[in-house]
Amino acid sequence: QSALTQPASVSGSPGQSITISCTGSSSDVGAYNYVSWYQQHSGKAPKLMIYDVTHRPSGVSNRFSGSKSGNTASLSISGLQAEDEADYYCSSYTTDTTMVFGGGTKLTVL
Amino acid sequence: QITLKESAVALVNPTETLTLTCTFSGFSLTAGVGVGWIRQPPGKALEWLALIYWDDGKRYSPSLQKRLIINKDTSKKQVVLTMANMDPVDTATYYCAHTVGSSNGGWGPKWFDPWGQGTLVTVFS
Repeated sequence: QSALTQPASVSGSPGQSITISCTGSSSDVGAYNYVSWYQQHSGKAPKLMIYDVTHRPSGVSNRFSGSKSGNTASLSISGLQAEDEADYYCSSYTTDTTMVFGGGTKLTVL
Repeated sequence: QITLKESAVALVNPTETLTLTCTFSGFSLTAGVGVGWIRQPPGKALEWLALIYWDDGKRYSPSLQKRLIINKDTSKKQVVLTMANMDPVDTATYYCAHTVGSSNGGWGPKWFDPWGQGTLVTVFS
């Protein structure tokens, strides 16, 4: 069970949009619409930002959106703000009823 | 408001068994509800460990399955994870988290929300 592949880092200026990719396989990302995304600020617990590929939990800004094509899921953030600077992790449900996480992406707001 | 809090000894010797307790409030382990465990070594990525559902259904990480046991005490609102044969590479912050499952695609971990604050466990080297 291999970890999902994410870019190690992405960056953007305030107000810009960025996208973080999450690549898996036909046994996880490509198998179901059960990809979720978590935001983790330094020293804090992860926070759910997106679930079931595209759904936002109550209270999460609509600047955050998710999508999926084949074995790759993506998290997009529009109108970047300083508070968005954090680590982001994707996760996916798998065909053996387990969960796998990505390696994480550090977002820097320039 | 759903809250979860992890507790465990902070320092563990190699080969010992670690016991992690998650005490939760704001929900009950009723139909569809589950509690999972996830860990994060210092400076590294998240790793899913285990999940238990209201009906005592259990799921384990394939790579750690032989070392893990998850149980629940519904009356105490606690979920306990034991990890045998601890090694320095198991040094990590351990989190528990709430989930609600569905039968679509089978019962298993699809997302976690919210998470506890985490507890750092260090294995002596």
